[in-house]
Amino acid sequence: DAGVTQSPTHLIKTRGQQVTLRCSPKSGHDTVSWYQQALGQGPQFIFQYYEEEERQRGNFPDRFSGHQFPNYSSELNVNALLLGDSALYLCASSLSAQRGYEQYFGPGTRLTVT
Amino acid sequence: GEDVEQSLFLSVREGDSSVINCTYTDSSSTYLYWYKQEPGAGLQLLTYIFSNMDMKQDQRLTVLLNKKDKHLSLRIADTQTGDSAIYFCAERWDFGNEKLTFGTGTRLTIIP
Repeated sequence: DAGVTQSPTHLIKTRGQQVTLRCSPKSGHDTVSWYQQALGQGPQFIFQYYEEEERQRGNFPDRFSGHQFPNYSSELNVNALLLGDSALYLCASSLSAQRGYEQYFGPGTRLTVT
Repeated sequence: GEDVEQSLFLSVREGDSSVINCTYTDSSSTYLYWYKQEPGAGLQLLTYIFSNMDMKQDQRLTVLLNKKDKHLSLRIADTQTGDSAIYFCAERWDFGNEKLTFGTGTRLTIIP
């Protein structure tokens, strides 16, 4: 049973560029959440996708957008990259019908903006 | 407001018990979670507790919840070198609010 997978593992981009990160949820899960973890900090919620729609959003600008596909996988897109976007981006999956709402995290994508 | 607080560092001798503490601000939190993060890795869900419970035990892990003081703790019995990591507590405010709000993490160091 594969857990949450993310690609790529590492990415280096230049300020002003655009980036796309990918996530495949744990088998059987239908909900994907994205978090940003800056160095030395706890993860911050970006948004969550369920049934191919954004269900909830954190305090992130519109430069951050996402998508969920019919197979429940998801993408996170960031436009006009800033130096401050350098962080570990974590994807978490869950099953919406499950009480406790356990969110299982992938290994993350380390984004460096230069 | 959203403010989950944790001590930054904890050092424990191998074989002793570790107690990691967390305070949260919203008494309507429905679920409270503990995650473990090893260097360069994602977050591993260790356990969680529903807000109408006082305690939950799972093998070496014991979670205590004091709703009156908004205090959550994680006790790790017989701490081993493999327990070295950063531990995050997180809260989910109420049913239907999907996001997890995390603390800044406690770095647990094991002294041989």
